Amino acid sequence: GAGVSQSPSNKVTEKGKDVELRCDPISGHTALYWYRQSLGQGLEFLIYFQGNSAPDKSGLPSDRFSAERTGGSVSTLTIQRTQQEDSAVYLCASSLIVTSEAFFGQGTRLTVV
Amino acid sequence: SQQGEEDPQALSIQEGENATMNCSYKTSINNLQWYRQNSGRGLVHLILIRSNEREKHSGRLRVTLDTSKKSSSLLITASRAADTASYFCATGSIQGAQKLVFGQGTRLTINP
Repeated sequence: GAGVSQSPSNKVTEKGKDVELRCDPISGHTALYWYRQSLGQGLEFLIYFQGNSAPDKSGLPSDRFSAERTGGSVSTLTIQRTQQEDSAVYLCASSLIVTSEAFFGQGTRLTVV
Repeated sequence: SQQGEEDPQALSIQEGENATMNCSYKTSINNLQWYRQNSGRGLVHLILIRSNEREKHSGRLRVTLDTSKKSSSLLITASRAADTASYFCATGSIQGAQKLVFGQGTRLTINP
């Protein structure tokens, strides 16, 4: 595709429900990142995939958060039993190789009510 | 923990003036990148400077890197209202995990 695509653009969910956020990276990009950004704050690293290596999950805030990347392409971030503090914009980015220029999607704004 | 820390947190200047933002980091890096974010959504890559480079230019942007001080600066010359945005630095470490780590950003406001 032309760029990184994220869906949905906005998601409102009830507290306690599970949500899945999707990211379609640029074709051929081996690195894929998920970040979280609360209003007016910086980017909080969540998880990083690089090729066939084991993902770096060091930024996941709790075991309610998980992510997978199937076939080295599409990635899904799953949040189980959502809490109000999970409300944020979730940003996905991909890059050709590790630490090269990253291309960002427009994010998914998650609101937990 | 955040690798890059931007300074100042917020900057407000008049159109036409120059804007300077700084970034400090902690570990040895492979490169340092600057990004811009409008309206709290996707970030746009501005410029990448490698650890063996000291200065780089792109249009009205000038980036410097001082690896001895573990710091970088972004200069925007002849600012325009459209430059109003948040600016973030990101570092790619050469040790351990090589993921891109972002700072908290500088909120730049250009007043007409």
